[in-house]
Amino acid sequence: AQKITQTQPGMFVQEKEAVTLDCTYDTSDQSYGLFWYKQPSSGEMIFLIYQGSYDEQNATEGRYSLNFQKARKSANLVISASQLGDSAMYFCAMREGRISNFGNEKLTFGTGTRLTIIP
Amino acid sequence: EAQVTQNPRYLITVTGKKLTVTCSQNMNHEYMSWYRQDPGLGLRQIYYSMNVEVTDKGDVPEGYKVSRKEKRNFPLILESPSPNQTSLYFCASSVRTAGHPYEQYFGPGTRLTVT
Repeated sequence: AQKITQTQPGMFVQEKEAVTLDCTYDTSDQSYGLFWYKQPSSGEMIFLIYQGSYDEQNATEGRYSLNFQKARKSANLVISASQLGDSAMYFCAMREGRISNFGNEKLTFGTGTRLTIIP
Repeated sequence: EAQVTQNPRYLITVTGKKLTVTCSQNMNHEYMSWYRQDPGLGLRQIYYSMNVEVTDKGDVPEGYKVSRKEKRNFPLILESPSPNQTSLYFCASSVRTAGHPYEQYFGPGTRLTVT
């Protein structure tokens, strides 16, 4: 089974509108972290936002917020007031298990959503 | 400036010709990792290293080698590249601080084509 599922291969959104990118995850760990990365056409991976499994409040970073619904195992990214520069590929990722000195810090990625902002 | 650097950024090579992609970070991070990105598959981990001289396989290690002789460097070695290793490669590093949110810092990527 997929550990990270992003069901929207592509989205088109009008500039200045809010957009929600969907992400569902699957894990049996109680401790885990959820990440969103942005990949513009230039190819680099840009960290956007992080949510820990024990965090009670939804994470926010500027125009980005993470709508964390633990019972549904969903971690949707919300971008408010979209801009042309938001056009990019967006990846949801998960790190399972507690951070420790002994474990692999592997991120498991979804297949991504290509977001296009229309002027 | 805190960063992860990779070289080369672009490489076209032929089947069987050994190559090395270098990765270096200036943040004194203990943990480093290599991923490959393929269309429709997201990023998948190739190898990782928890510290100097400590490396282990990720999900797709076949055809790759790594070494970690110094904390800052984590080169990826393809002893005999094949066309199915054509991909976009990312090196990443992170600090290991238990109980603290963290991010993995990604390098700019290396686009490799094997003909």
